[in-house]
Amino acid sequence: QKEVEQDPGPLSVPEGAIVSLNCTYSNSAFQYFMWYRQYSRKGPELLMYTYSSGNKEDGRFTAQVDKSSKYISLFIRDSQPSDSATYLCATDRYGNNRLAFGKGNQVVVIP
Amino acid sequence: EAEVAQSPRYKITEKSQAVAFWCDPISGHATLYWYRQILGQGPELLVQFQDESVVDDSQLPKDRFSAERLKGVDSTLKIQPAELGDSAMYLCASSPKETQYFGPGTRLLVL
Repeated sequence: QKEVEQDPGPLSVPEGAIVSLNCTYSNSAFQYFMWYRQYSRKGPELLMYTYSSGNKEDGRFTAQVDKSSKYISLFIRDSQPSDSATYLCATDRYGNNRLAFGKGNQVVVIP
Repeated sequence: EAEVAQSPRYKITEKSQAVAFWCDPISGHATLYWYRQILGQGPELLVQFQDESVVDDSQLPKDRFSAERLKGVDSTLKIQPAELGDSAMYLCASSPKETQYFGPGTRLLVL
């Protein structure tokens, strides 16, 4: 079983819609979770970093961790064409900076 | 704003040839990582350095891949001989502590 599972299907939404992305993880001992954004032909950049359970909000972005179901989510409100990118979930597993990534979701926001 | 530098950005080679990729991390970042990202997948960690020492190379195919960071600053990743399955994006990242900053990557095509 992969440590982080992310359904890699592409997602197209109209501008202004809410984007909802999800991942599951395998081990309830994992504590650190991230979402990275990767534009075409670029390296990933850190978008959100959460520790343990709960919500974290940063502008239009909200990250959620549900430890009871081993589920992590990213919501993008009022989506913009500039949000078009691949979004990767990741876990730091045991806090040793060795990240395990999901496969990524390609998001297209249509003007 | 400081960035991780990588070169070359693109490399085309024939199988059985040797290739090398170079990474210059953000100044002062003690930890350096090499990842491989196959198209449609998330990055997979190949090797992690702390200063000049290898911390984790458990996923590095050591029969053909080697990595070094001799002076604890820049780093080189080498593949010899290259195989068709090595076609991927090779990403370098560096971190001062938890957050990893990625470079733009080197896209390798093995023919």
